[in-house]
Amino acid sequence: NAGVMQNPRHLVRRRGQEARLRCSPMKGHSHVYWYRQLPEEGLKFMVYLQKENIIDESGMPKERFSAEFPKEGPSILRIQQVVRGDSAAYFCASSKRGASGSTDTQYFGPGTRLTVL
Amino acid sequence: DAKTTQPPSMDCAEGRAANLPCNHSTISGNEYVYWYRQIHSQGPQYIIHGLKNNETNEMASLIITEDRKSSTLILPHATLRDTAVYYCIVKNSGYALNFGKGTSLLVTP
Repeated sequence: NAGVMQNPRHLVRRRGQEARLRCSPMKGHSHVYWYRQLPEEGLKFMVYLQKENIIDESGMPKERFSAEFPKEGPSILRIQQVVRGDSAAYFCASSKRGASGSTDTQYFGPGTRLTVL
Repeated sequence: DAKTTQPPSMDCAEGRAANLPCNHSTISGNEYVYWYRQIHSQGPQYIIHGLKNNETNEMASLIITEDRKSSTLILPHATLRDTAVYYCIVKNSGYALNFGKGTSLLVTP
């Protein structure tokens, strides 16, 4: 009964490189959410995706960040040309249904800790 | 989503019940109360949620006042492994969970 899986767990990049973070939702879940936690801060919502669709990206920075959830395979959060300020923990969550109602509980993965040198 | 207010920190002796309060005086009728916790820097862990009635599961109990303006999460027999930051989140049909600062619970031997 695997939970949400994220990899890598730790990622080190130099300024200007690209970071790719992967998230596999729980079995039977088709909705994925990405959150970011900056050092000493709370989690902030970034984006909500269903298979092949971005539903809400209101929390995503306007530049350099993108997300996808293809028909096959994990969801990917991609950060281009990383800067030191991107250093954070990135958490993925999944839910069985959409956002409405009480059955949309989000279950979180262990996170990816990105360090930009 | 309604705003929540939690004490920044609490202590609890191991084996005793931990009662974590949350105020959500602006909650509306279709908004649920969710509780998550984050142990150290791990991913948030879902604990429990409710709308109007009190709820209990294997981890905790959730007591919601009749006017729904506040709630209490109860860990009946706290252990050292319950030391974590606990987040009370009021959620409607929107997508995002709004994590505030939460309550840092320290369980002591």
